[in-house]
Amino acid sequence: DSGVTQTPKHLITATGQRVTLRCSPRSGDLSVYWYQQSLDQGLQFLIQYYNGEERAKGNILERFSAQQFPDLHSELNLSSLELGDSALYFCASGRFSAGELFFGEGSRLTVL
Amino acid sequence: DAKTTQPPSMDCAEGRAANLPCNHSTISGNEYVYWYRQIHSQGPQYIIHGLKNNETNEMASLIITEDRKSSTLILPHATLRDTAVYYCIAEPTSGAGSYQLTFGKGTKLSVIP
Repeated sequence: DSGVTQTPKHLITATGQRVTLRCSPRSGDLSVYWYQQSLDQGLQFLIQYYNGEERAKGNILERFSAQQFPDLHSELNLSSLELGDSALYFCASGRFSAGELFFGEGSRLTVL
Repeated sequence: DAKTTQPPSMDCAEGRAANLPCNHSTISGNEYVYWYRQIHSQGPQYIIHGLKNNETNEMASLIITEDRKSSTLILPHATLRDTAVYYCIAEPTSGAGSYQLTFGKGTKLSVIP
C-alpha cells in the first residue's frame, strides 16, 4: 500500500462525456503528479501540482484539466472524451526534494 | 533528460540474482538514476536511486559505473513476485521540486520457478 488513494478504480463512459478522477496523496506529501498509461504510449506525465499550485505540465491535452485543493487532494477532469482517452490514469505523490514518487493503484477509464 | 536504454526482456531463475542493465551514456552530472517497477498494471513502485555511488536498500542494489554511463539493478534473490516491468530513469535533481519521470519501455523481467 503506497498510501496514495485513487477513485474510482474503474470507470466506463461514452464518447463526448466528462469524468473526474480523484487522488488523495500520502500524508505529508505536497506534490501530486498525474500520469496516463495507454497500451501504445506507455506511461506519460501529464501534470504536477505542488501545494495547490501548478508546477509542471507535460503532454496534457487541452480537454484535460487538473487542480489541487487546500486539503491537498487533487482531481483530474477529462472532458469531450474520445475513444483514445481509454487508459489507466495514475496519481503519484512525493516530497519536495526527492524523486521518490509513490503511485496509486490507478483509475482505469474505458470510453465506449 | 538523458535517454536510457534497457533490454526489452529478461528471464531469471527463482532464487538467483537478477541483474538488470541500463545504459545512460548521455547522462549529465546532475542527473540521478532511478529505478521503478510495475507489476501487471499496478501503480509503479519506487525501488532505488543513486547519483554516482553504489546504493543498497532492502529491495535491491544499484551499481553505477565510474563514468556513470551505465548502471545495473540487482535483485539479490529473485522471487516470483519480482516478475514485473523494470524502468530505469535518468532524472535531474530539481530545486523546484518537480520530477517529471520519463518512463521508457523498461525491461520485462520474468522470474521462472
